[in-house]
Amino acid sequence: DAGVIQSPRHEVTEMGQEVTLRCKPISGHDYLFWYRQTMMRGLELLIYFNNNVPIDDSGMPEDRFSAKMPNASFSTLKIQPSEPRDSAVYFCASSQERASSYNEQFFGPGTRLTVL
Amino acid sequence: AQSVTQPDIHITVSEGASLELRCNYSYGATPYLFWYVQSPGQGLQLLLKYFSGDTLVQGIKGFEAEFKRSQSSFNLRKPSVHWSDAAEYFCAVGARFTGTASKLTFGTGTRLQVTL
Repeated sequence: DAGVIQSPRHEVTEMGQEVTLRCKPISGHDYLFWYRQTMMRGLELLIYFNNNVPIDDSGMPEDRFSAKMPNASFSTLKIQPSEPRDSAVYFCASSQERASSYNEQFFGPGTRLTVL
Repeated sequence: AQSVTQPDIHITVSEGASLELRCNYSYGATPYLFWYVQSPGQGLQLLLKYFSGDTLVQGIKGFEAEFKRSQSSFNLRKPSVHWSDAAEYFCAVGARFTGTASKLTFGTGTRLQVTL
């Protein structure tokens, strides 16, 4: 399996522009998570989906952030408009729920976002 | 609410020396516990996990961790550190999958530096 795939790996944009980050989870996984990592706040969970349905978006910082999962193999995290304080590394992770398994999350390589 | 504390922000050890990274958690039930490692510019990789059973768990790359319920701790150890172990290490606590209770909470991380 190719693992969790994220694109782009790096994104540089100007304040006010729309940014879209993309994630392809591991095939067969039914949970998808979006995290943000900054020096100041560490690793924060933004939102997670179960079977393409958003379950908990309490970590989404504000209305400028939105996430969708139109199907089991694709998710997007959109920031509109972007601000310099959104600069961070954004990770996507996926996991599979099994009665006999731990909720191990597999992480993608991340997207480093810089907002100028 | 669940929480994780990693009291050491930064640790430096000599190559070949032993290592112990501390992790304390707060959780109302029996936790799932994880250690992840993040190399520079990379995503998070699972080192080991604890769910139940033997309180000493073995992971990849020669790491082990011991769950101590009385101390609410899950410290990571390695008997002999290699220069390639230099990275950031994250402890995480997770709730059992029960629909909405599927989140991992991460500590702030410990950055390990290895001197030659």
